[in-house]
Amino acid sequence: EVQLVQSGAEVKKPGESLKISCKGSGYSFTNYWIAWVRQMPGKGLEWMGIIYPGDSDTTYSPSFQGQVTISADKSISTAYLQWSSLKASDTAMYYCVRCPMTTVTCYFDFWGQGTLVTVSS
Amino acid sequence: EIVLTQSPGTLSLSPGDRATLSCRASQSVSSSYLAWYQQKPGQAPRLLIYGASSRATGIPDRFSGSGSGTDFTLTISRLEPEDFAVYYCQQYGTSPLTFGPGTKVDIK
Repeated sequence: EVQLVQSGAEVKKPGESLKISCKGSGYSFTNYWIAWVRQMPGKGLEWMGIIYPGDSDTTYSPSFQGQVTISADKSISTAYLQWSSLKASDTAMYYCVRCPMTTVTCYFDFWGQGTLVTVSS
Repeated sequence: EIVLTQSPGTLSLSPGDRATLSCRASQSVSSSYLAWYQQKPGQAPRLLIYGASSRATGIPDRFSGSGSGTDFTLTISRLEPEDFAVYYCQQYGTSPLTFGPGTKVDIK
């Protein structure tokens, strides 16, 4: 069974750093792109970027380039999303998703349960 | 960037009704690379349709997708109680990948 299990909810202050995780299981983690999708409170879905765990090839949405870093550790089948300096506007639910295609332009067949990040002073 | 517009914003229907949701793109979506997702409150989205008309694994056949170019439709032939949710379209023909704002299907 394919599963993406994300790390737990976080409460942080503006300016703090954060790294959240997404562990894949039930499939060959290195052979599928993993993307991150943001959902701000009460809002829609936004694609942030994507990584190929096999070689860490990464593409970012222009809206998120320079704002976050996506990485992966294939030895433990885990992808990461990190911030160096959080803002209140980063408050959102973040989903990791699996891409079943061989390109960065893909749909998402499996979703993690989401990690809620709250940034507040 | 391809902008997706979904209509209507909210669709109020009764169980057993037919639901027709529209997704329009600001430019042609290459290869009909259009997906639909369902999201219920407090849950992650779930893939329903990819390639404009292919149902994902385990999706009931009351869900169907159609369209090409800039106009796409998700149809739910007979609404079941569990179908009341928000539906998003997503284009994956061109980077950056983009989602529509969603259509909420609620109980009339």
